[in-house]
Amino acid sequence: NAGVTQTPKFQVLKTGQSMTLQCAQDMNHEYMSWYRQDPGMGLRLIHYSVGAGITDQGEVPNGYNVSRSTTEDFPLRLLSAAPSQTSVYFCASSYSPANTEAFFGQGTRLTVV
Amino acid sequence: KNEVEQSPQNLTAQEGEFITINCSYSVGISALHWLQQHPGGGIVSLFMLSSGKKKHGRLIATINIQEKHSSLHITASHPRDSAVYICAGEGGSNYKLTFGKGTLLTVNP
Repeated sequence: NAGVTQTPKFQVLKTGQSMTLQCAQDMNHEYMSWYRQDPGMGLRLIHYSVGAGITDQGEVPNGYNVSRSTTEDFPLRLLSAAPSQTSVYFCASSYSPANTEAFFGQGTRLTVV
Repeated sequence: KNEVEQSPQNLTAQEGEFITINCSYSVGISALHWLQQHPGGGIVSLFMLSSGKKKHGRLIATINIQEKHSSLHITASHPRDSAVYICAGEGGSNYKLTFGKGTLLTVNP
């Protein structure tokens, strides 16, 4: 079991570029989510999915898109990168949304210049 | 709105000391997660609890539902325990997690 795998680990983008952060899990978890972590703030939810084909917005969704075509994969797309999107991004998964342990990826450190 | 507050923000201890990190939360939270994040590293789940107490090795987590308060204790602390400890409340629509800002623990040898 690899758990939750995020790629890349580091990325530098120029303002206006687009990119996709990959997230895959091999635990057959239905619930997956993306967070961003900024200094002095708690992790904030960007988007989440309760199963294949179902996604919804979290607390800070603007500038990001997601899709969930399979149970395993939950990519996060930055449409037109902005310096305000400089952050560390974490993908997480759990068997169900409630009362179950959450598993996190190793994080992606993104810098937008 | 669900809110989670942690204290202290920073904590420095000597090896062997007993550590307590506190987490208070607002109404609407049905379970509480404790997470660990080493510098530059990923996030690891330590505990998920909705009542009582859980223990794993030198780590103990307790929750008091009535007082809306949880604590994470580390007995016989060690420098490898140095990390950021994060509590997160689960609740509301779709059981989303609301995170505290974290407690940076440094254990000196």
